[in-house]
Amino acid sequence: DADVTQTPRNRITKTGKRIMLECSQTKGHDRMYWYRQDPGLGLRLIYYSFDVKDINKGEISDGYSVSRQAQAKFSLSLESAIPNQTALYFCATSRGGSETDTQYFGPGTRLTVL
Amino acid sequence: GDSVTQMEGPVTLSEEAFLTINCTYTATGYPSLFWYVQYPGEGLQLLLKATKADDKGSNKGFEATYRKETTSFHLEKGSVQVSDSAVYFCALSERPGGTSYGKLTFGQGTILTVHP
Repeated sequence: DADVTQTPRNRITKTGKRIMLECSQTKGHDRMYWYRQDPGLGLRLIYYSFDVKDINKGEISDGYSVSRQAQAKFSLSLESAIPNQTALYFCATSRGGSETDTQYFGPGTRLTVL
Repeated sequence: GDSVTQMEGPVTLSEEAFLTINCTYTATGYPSLFWYVQYPGEGLQLLLKATKADDKGSNKGFEATYRKETTSFHLEKGSVQVSDSAVYFCALSERPGGTSYGKLTFGQGTILTVHP
């Protein structure tokens, strides 16, 4: 089945460390997104990319950076992790055109920063 | 900016009970509306959507009607099952052509637990 995968699924790290979360998709979608989920706050958009050469900040991009290595790969980096970046991180994809607003999510990465 | 407000949870019901989860929104344009569901340990998946006023989205026995006059998109199910236990998210997206098209704005999520 065409899918959205995330690695790692769980990660514990220390304050100040550099962390990369990876997302791959076999859906052939052009558009990819990174969200974080915090209890009681829903999902908030960190970065999004509408194609390989298009990267845009979301509502909470400070402290994060991204790389779109190929149509199928979109990585999220925390250059110097801090405890309030402890959260559940989701990658999502969507088609372009009229189906852009239907997004397909990966299983998530649970990140703990000590 | 756009925002989505859901009823606070958690919601606990017995099997076969009627479910309503309220959702209201604020948007500058004319958005599309969604309900996503997150089962334990999984990512979100689309449950249903509606793209214009008075449209009813439906799937797996769940329904929601796009009410432009009350800016609402309440989720309902007539008879819940234990397997419906999950977190439910209401969301909106700007229409095609808008500068924010394709970006979803989510509510805070409502935890539903259904007991046998």
